[in-house]
Amino acid sequence: DTAVSQTPKYLVTQMGNDKSIKCEQNLGHDTMYWYKQDSKKFLKIMFSYNNKELIINETVPNRFSPKSPDKAHLNLHINSLELGDSAVYFCASSQSTGGNSPLHFGNGTRLTVT
Amino acid sequence: AQSVTQPDIHITVSEGASLELRCNYSYGATPYLFWYVQSPGQGLQLLLKYFSGDTLVQGIKGFEAEFKRSQSSFNLRKPSVHWSDAAEYFCAVGSGGSYIPTFGRGTSLIVHP
Repeated sequence: DTAVSQTPKYLVTQMGNDKSIKCEQNLGHDTMYWYKQDSKKFLKIMFSYNNKELIINETVPNRFSPKSPDKAHLNLHINSLELGDSAVYFCASSQSTGGNSPLHFGNGTRLTVT
Repeated sequence: AQSVTQPDIHITVSEGASLELRCNYSYGATPYLFWYVQSPGQGLQLLLKYFSGDTLVQGIKGFEAEFKRSQSSFNLRKPSVHWSDAAEYFCAVGSGGSYIPTFGRGTSLIVHP
């Protein structure tokens, strides 16, 4: 049973296209996140939702729009893809928003924009 | 604001040798500290965490870490490394006042046979 699952695992697309990444967690957690990992493995927080409410929105272009239909799902839609969007995107969840709540990560979506 | 420094970008060890990965944090109060491991093509997996109490914490896969307040460090150790330990290791710090755990840049562990 996969705790945090995201699809697709790989996404190859051309500049200017629009794409979505889906994430689901079956842990019963209240909080979900999107992270971007660049080619140097640096992890950058993008968004966080708690019980479907957006609580963190870091400096991310407006082309990125998260959506949480329920607390078990957090999807990421990206408009007008650019070369610089190429990265690995990780979904994660935690039991709560507290700093002592460990994160559970999905296996990532490798996005390649050509 | 909290921050995490992992001074070593790469560490190379021989299989069977001991391992220590360094992590230094900056935070005014007692932090919540974590180590995660990322195997190739995988997401991050929690190895261990420290919140309070005994400063030596045990984790999965034979790893342990020691919290040293005086040095603002939380170094990860393993007495004997296996080839399967080759991965990226991330130290992270959380605090009661922040929703965002801060991750270090990661240390890539290479294991030679």
